[in-house]
Amino acid sequence: KNEVEQSPQNLTAQEGEFITINCSYSVGISALHWLQQHPGGGIVSLFMLSSGKKKHGRLIATINIQEKHSSLHITASHPRDSAVYICAVLPKGTASKLTFGTGTRLQVTL
Amino acid sequence: EPEVTQTPSHQVTQMGQEVILRCVPISNHLYFYWYRQILGQKVEFLVSFYNNEISEKSEIFDDQFSVERPDGSNFTLKIRSTKLEDSAMYFCASSIDVTEQFFGPGTRLTVL
Repeated sequence: KNEVEQSPQNLTAQEGEFITINCSYSVGISALHWLQQHPGGGIVSLFMLSSGKKKHGRLIATINIQEKHSSLHITASHPRDSAVYICAVLPKGTASKLTFGTGTRLQVTL
Repeated sequence: EPEVTQTPSHQVTQMGQEVILRCVPISNHLYFYWYRQILGQKVEFLVSFYNNEISEKSEIFDDQFSVERPDGSNFTLKIRSTKLEDSAMYFCASSIDVTEQFFGPGTRLTVL
């Protein structure tokens, strides 16, 4: 069983739609990362969260530590948001051994 | 804007050969990481490096793997005797502290 589960696995949206990607994990963590992997393979860090909510532009990330759940929201989606979004957790007791989810592939169409 | 660079972008090697993947982290960063992603699978942590020594490593990072920071700018991953299952994209990352990591573009390793 994966320690980090993401849903949905694939998501198609029309430009302008509000998008939510979910991440559930089964272990105690000290932090959670959201990453974006571009079609060419490059990876960009979006957020690191240990509690509450963070916002950067049209991206919002929330985490509920008690429920072991995080969400990534994209408001007013755009075709350039098309990418794979990856959730990765830092289990308690480790300083750097991120455990990754399998990713959510987002396609935003015109 | 500073970025992490990796060379080569694609490496093809024969099974059993040694390969060295090279990374130049962002210059004022202190923490360095290697990850791999087998085609179609999730990203996996390999190793982290701080203060000239390995901080943590995964079960994947066995005796066939080693890392080095030979000259204060490069950070290398060596695979001593490559196997077919080592074929993957290898990403280097660096960070100034234990928060945001900056990833390189990756090296695609193909073992024949």
